Amino acid sequence: EAQVTQNPRYLITVTGKKLTVTCSQNMNHEYMSWYRQDPGLGLRQIYYSMNVEVTDKGDVPEGYKVSRKEKRNFPLILESPSPNQTSLYFCASNGRGGTDTQYFGPGTRLTVL
Amino acid sequence: RKEVEQDPGPFNVPEGATVAFNCTYSNSASQSFFWYRQDCRKEPKLLMSVYSSGNEDGRFTAQLNRASQYISLLIRDSKLSDSATYLCVVTRGSWGKLQFGAGTQVVVTP
Repeated sequence: EAQVTQNPRYLITVTGKKLTVTCSQNMNHEYMSWYRQDPGLGLRQIYYSMNVEVTDKGDVPEGYKVSRKEKRNFPLILESPSPNQTSLYFCASNGRGGTDTQYFGPGTRLTVL
Repeated sequence: RKEVEQDPGPFNVPEGATVAFNCTYSNSASQSFFWYRQDCRKEPKLLMSVYSSGNEDGRFTAQLNRASQYISLLIRDSKLSDSATYLCVVTRGSWGKLQFGAGTQVVVTP
């Protein structure tokens, strides 16, 4: 089954404690992205990757890091989480850039206390 | 000003009725347009692409008006299962970077 998986699905943490949210896709897609979704603001892109070792900032990259060492994985790293990073996070992948259907993971609900 | 704007709703629609709503975008260089559906903070899923000539998929009809920079979605014969938030998505640039609207909530009532 074609899918994008994310872990963990729910996480409550404290300010400053480094965390990683994993994302994996099994569709051999080149493009992967991370978004955060906040009430009234819609989905905003954090980082995206066009291929292995090729990543770039989206609209709200501050406080986040990513890496793309393998085609299927695109982890999101919060080195020092802060309460304003409390949000719903989605990973997505697609095969041919933004004009292709985006397949989203199930989401990770993060709370930073 | 947001790059993609939507009426947040909710649009309360009796079952069987028709509902329509728009999405406006500010960047005239936008290239591709989509409607995604999102159920109760679950992952968004593609509903349909929006083509220049307009297109229909069953009970759903999408229109694009480039001159006025908006797209629209019409749902006919609404079902209870159509209750969801509908996200307008616009792409621009060589990579086709996506811009999402905040969504329009539709609630279909018996």
